[in-house]
Amino acid sequence: QKEVEQDPGPLSVPEGAIVSLNCTYSNSAFQYFMWYRQYSRKGPELLMYTYSSGNKEDGRFTAQVDKSSKYISLFIRDSQPSDSATYLCAMSAVGNQGGKLIFGQGTELSVKP
Amino acid sequence: NAGVTQTPKFQVLKTGQSMTLQCAQDMNHNSMYWYRQDPGMGLRLIYYSASEGTTDKGEVPNGYNVSRLNKREFSLRLESAAPSQTSVYFCASSETAGTQYFGPGTRLTVL
Repeated sequence: QKEVEQDPGPLSVPEGAIVSLNCTYSNSAFQYFMWYRQYSRKGPELLMYTYSSGNKEDGRFTAQVDKSSKYISLFIRDSQPSDSATYLCAMSAVGNQGGKLIFGQGTELSVKP
Repeated sequence: NAGVTQTPKFQVLKTGQSMTLQCAQDMNHNSMYWYRQDPGMGLRLIYYSASEGTTDKGEVPNGYNVSRLNKREFSLRLESAAPSQTSVYFCASSETAGTQYFGPGTRLTVL
């Protein structure tokens, strides 16, 4: 079993829809949780960063962490065609040497006009 | 401020050839990483360097070597390329836990 599981999709939604992207994990030592966005043929870019449990909001994006269920989510409100990309979750444990991240497979999202 | 730069952008090798992928960052970060990305496999860590002068193996180090030349530069070398090393390679750097910044990638094909 992988440490981080993410549904690869693809996920196709109409413009304006609310999108929910999710990851589950097995390592209870994970404390740092990230979402990266990767456009086609580009490098991943950091989208959201959360430490421990709770919610974090940034514009149309909300990241949620539920450590009791080992489950994290990224919500995109009023989705736009420009949100079409692959979204990768990533996690790290406190004291992890070198700040290594464990990535999910990535979910491919397509927002149709 | 260029962030993380990688060269070359594209490369085609024949089986058995060698090459070095170059990476540089201008953010004064201590840690640097090399990943490969394959369809359905996500990002897999090849090697990382927690600080200048140190390097450690990641998840898939076989067939690769690295050099942390100085704080800015971290190179990845394929001594004898194999078709299984056909992939997209990303370099990243970070200062704080979790916030890794990625380069644009190198697309490598081994025939």
